[in-house]
Amino acid sequence: NAGVTQTPKFRVLKTGQSMTLLCAQDMNHEYMYWYRQDPGMGLRLIHYSVGEGTTAKGEVPDGYNVSRLKKQNFLLGLESAAPSQTSVYFCASRSPGAAYEQYFGPGTRLTVT
Amino acid sequence: GENVEQHPSTLSVQEGDSAVIKCTYSDSASNYFPWYKQELGKRPQLIIDIRSNVGEKKDQRIAVTLNKTAKHFSLHITETQPEDSAVYFCAALINTGRRALTFGSGTRLQVQP
Repeated sequence: NAGVTQTPKFRVLKTGQSMTLLCAQDMNHEYMYWYRQDPGMGLRLIHYSVGEGTTAKGEVPDGYNVSRLKKQNFLLGLESAAPSQTSVYFCASRSPGAAYEQYFGPGTRLTVT
Repeated sequence: GENVEQHPSTLSVQEGDSAVIKCTYSDSASNYFPWYKQELGKRPQLIIDIRSNVGEKKDQRIAVTLNKTAKHFSLHITETQPEDSAVYFCAALINTGRRALTFGSGTRLQVQP
């Protein structure tokens, strides 16, 4: 099992450009999450999904959109990147039962200039 | 929503000493409290977790205690080693609604050889 994977690992964007980050998991997890990590601020929830075809806003959703067309994939889109979106992005997933552990992907380091 | 506060932000100890990191949470509905270790450039790794029906849990040199009444939980690392140097995050989960972890802001632990 690959667990949770993220594509790409690194990316540099210019202000106003768009991109999509891909998260994939092979553990058949229902729940998937996108977090961003900034220095000194821990991980903050951007968007989440509790099942295929469903998405919802987290703590810091502005400037991002998501889609969950397939159970194993969770896409995070930036339509018009801003320097404030420079961050490390982590995807995570877990099953809906009593096993609460979240499994994290390796992260995507995004720089917006 | 849930709010998690973590102290201290940095902690320096001598090899062999103990380290304690403390977190408080705001929502009494939280029922799961994991601790993550994150090394530079890596994803967060779960090191220990505790559920709300348990007061203490130990795994070799690592222990976590939970005080539900006071809404705080702590990570204790004994006999620290240089390889324990990393950033540690606490988190809390309410398993309804978002069903996502809320993270503390992190503690940078430095173990001096």
